[in-house]
Amino acid sequence: ETGVTQTPRHLVMGMTNKKSLKCEQHLGHNAMYWYKQSAKKPLELMFVYNFKEQTENNSVPSRFSPECPNSSHLFLHLHTLQPEDSALYLCASSQVAGGLSSYNEQFFGPGTRLTVL
Amino acid sequence: DQQVKQNSPSLSVQEGRISILNCDYTNSMFDYFLWYKKYPAEGPTFLISISSIKDKNEDGRFTVFLNKSAKHLSLHIVPSQPGDSAVYFCAASAGFGNEKLTFGTGTRLTIIP
Repeated sequence: ETGVTQTPRHLVMGMTNKKSLKCEQHLGHNAMYWYKQSAKKPLELMFVYNFKEQTENNSVPSRFSPECPNSSHLFLHLHTLQPEDSALYLCASSQVAGGLSSYNEQFFGPGTRLTVL
Repeated sequence: DQQVKQNSPSLSVQEGRISILNCDYTNSMFDYFLWYKKYPAEGPTFLISISSIKDKNEDGRFTVFLNKSAKHLSLHIVPSQPGDSAVYFCAASAGFGNEKLTFGTGTRLTIIP
């Protein structure tokens, strides 16, 4: 596997279900991200993990729960979702260094298309 | 309030001609700008970037121009090829090493053979 992979690619779930999205990056990066893309809206940053520590939670409802067990893996745990949560969920990774670092070029996975019934 | 705007949802260009995609931003703290390209059923892929200390960056057929006073950037593709048909996203970040990217809504480019 190369780059950033995401599973599953498609997920249909009811509002009472619990499911998880998985992301894995094979690039040796130290930062990982979850984005949401709804129709006709810009990509919305949800969570940022830098060296496995969550550094950003962009006012995301608690029914979305991220987990980053190591710098290569990122999960998004889903429970009691609403139909308006149906969207494409994208994972990304980048190499971020502190101080006078290089700028942030993020590499994206193919996304998980989520439908909440 | 959208800080990065792509006002043209779609654009059609004849093969071989120049494609110009536009992006406007409102946050004067943005100092690094990126263009991503997205095919259906794939994630966005990085295309080209520019920092605010430059006004132009070129990579093969792709050139990005930055006009800081107008808070405007554009992506030029010349000559346009059928494989360039995709959705193009403009993104911006503020500050060196800032992890957060703010994206526009995207422009769907169609290259007509």
